[in-house]
Amino acid sequence: EAGVAQSPRYKIIEKRQSVAFWCNPISGHATLYWYQQILGQGPKLLIQFQNNGVVDDSQLPKDRFSAERLKGVDSTLKIQPAKLEDSAVYLCASSPTRGALNTQYFGPGTRLTVL
Amino acid sequence: AQSVTQPDIHITVSEGASLELRCNYSYGATPYLFWYVQSPGQGLQLLLKYFSGDTLVQGIKGFEAEFKRSQSSFNLRKPSVHWSDAAEYFCAVGAIQGAQKLVFGQGTRLTINP
Repeated sequence: EAGVAQSPRYKIIEKRQSVAFWCNPISGHATLYWYQQILGQGPKLLIQFQNNGVVDDSQLPKDRFSAERLKGVDSTLKIQPAKLEDSAVYLCASSPTRGALNTQYFGPGTRLTVL
Repeated sequence: AQSVTQPDIHITVSEGASLELRCNYSYGATPYLFWYVQSPGQGLQLLLKYFSGDTLVQGIKGFEAEFKRSQSSFNLRKPSVHWSDAAEYFCAVGAIQGAQKLVFGQGTRLTINP
């Protein structure tokens, strides 16, 4: 089966610009996650969707970050305006359903550099 | 809230040698525990997971991990490493309540000497 797809793979922008990342999860997976992975750190969950509803967005900086999952399939994560500290790899993952025991399948990530 | 500590940022071993990567967790109840591997330019791949039962868990690629409740540890082991095992390894703990999200450690980078 096809894995989690993400685009673009790399993005370089200047601070205060906006950027958007796209994720297409594994077909049939109800749960979708966006993580931020800063260099030298483990992934940190930004937002979790169950179908098209938000389950957890407690660590999403809502003043600049937004995410949506229209129709409960693919998802977009947006940053507006970007800051230098947003430089990181943004990982998308999906799982068949909710629950910590479910295996999460990760995409290759989008590496964002903010200059 | 749960947390994970991986004490070793970087480990170097020789090809064919044994490997143990350390992981300590903090969680108020019985945790779900995971090990993921991340190769350069790729996403994370699940190696193994523990949620109950036998405390010695077998995973893919010849890896195993042992859950020790008394030590709050979930160390990853492999008897003989291959050059292809060079990667970043992440331990994670999952909550069994609430949003049931995963919290990852900061990772251990494994280098293999030929």
